[in-house]
Amino acid sequence: NAGVTQTPKFQVLKTGQSMTLQCAQDMNHNSMYWYRQDPGMGLRLIYYSASEGTTDKGEVPNGYNVSRLNKREFSLRLESAAPSQTSVYFCASSLTGVKEKLFFGSGTQLSVL
Amino acid sequence: SQQGEEDPQALSIQEGENATMNCSYKTSINNLQWYRQNSGRGLVHLILIRSNEREKHSGRLRVTLDTSKKSSSLLITASRAADTASYFCATVPYTGRRALTFGSGTRLQVQP
Repeated sequence: NAGVTQTPKFQVLKTGQSMTLQCAQDMNHNSMYWYRQDPGMGLRLIYYSASEGTTDKGEVPNGYNVSRLNKREFSLRLESAAPSQTSVYFCASSLTGVKEKLFFGSGTQLSVL
Repeated sequence: SQQGEEDPQALSIQEGENATMNCSYKTSINNLQWYRQNSGRGLVHLILIRSNEREKHSGRLRVTLDTSKKSSSLLITASRAADTASYFCATVPYTGRRALTFGSGTRLQVQP
């Protein structure tokens, strides 16, 4: 099993450009999450999807949109990238919600110039 | 704001020694989880302890939880160079947002 797969692994954008980060899991999990990790800040929740068809804002949702395309896939879109969005982005999933452990992807290193 | 805060921020020990990391949190929790992150990689789940549990073991890992002090500790016994990583605690609140909130982590360096 691949687990949680994120694409791309690296991306450089110019300010104002848009892009979509893709995430897919093959573990039949119901819940999926997007986090960002900045140096010394730990992980902060951007958006999450408790189950297929639902999405909710996390701690730092401004500047982002998400789509739970189906049970497997949960994408994160930056409509107009800003330098403050330079970060490492992690997608994660869990079987039935936060009372269980999360499985993480390997991350996307995003730089916005 | 961070729900969990780890202490110390960085720890350097020799192989074979024990490593202890602490985590404090602010609100009542359903469970507390510990994760490890090797440099440049995603996080890997280590152990989950529920609010009605006080201690849990997994191999060389021992986690304690004191809900009255809103704190947890992770002990790694007989550390190895391969244990070099960042360690994060994460909490699940009883109410509110249904997602894990992570602390800023402890960077552990195990010298061979």
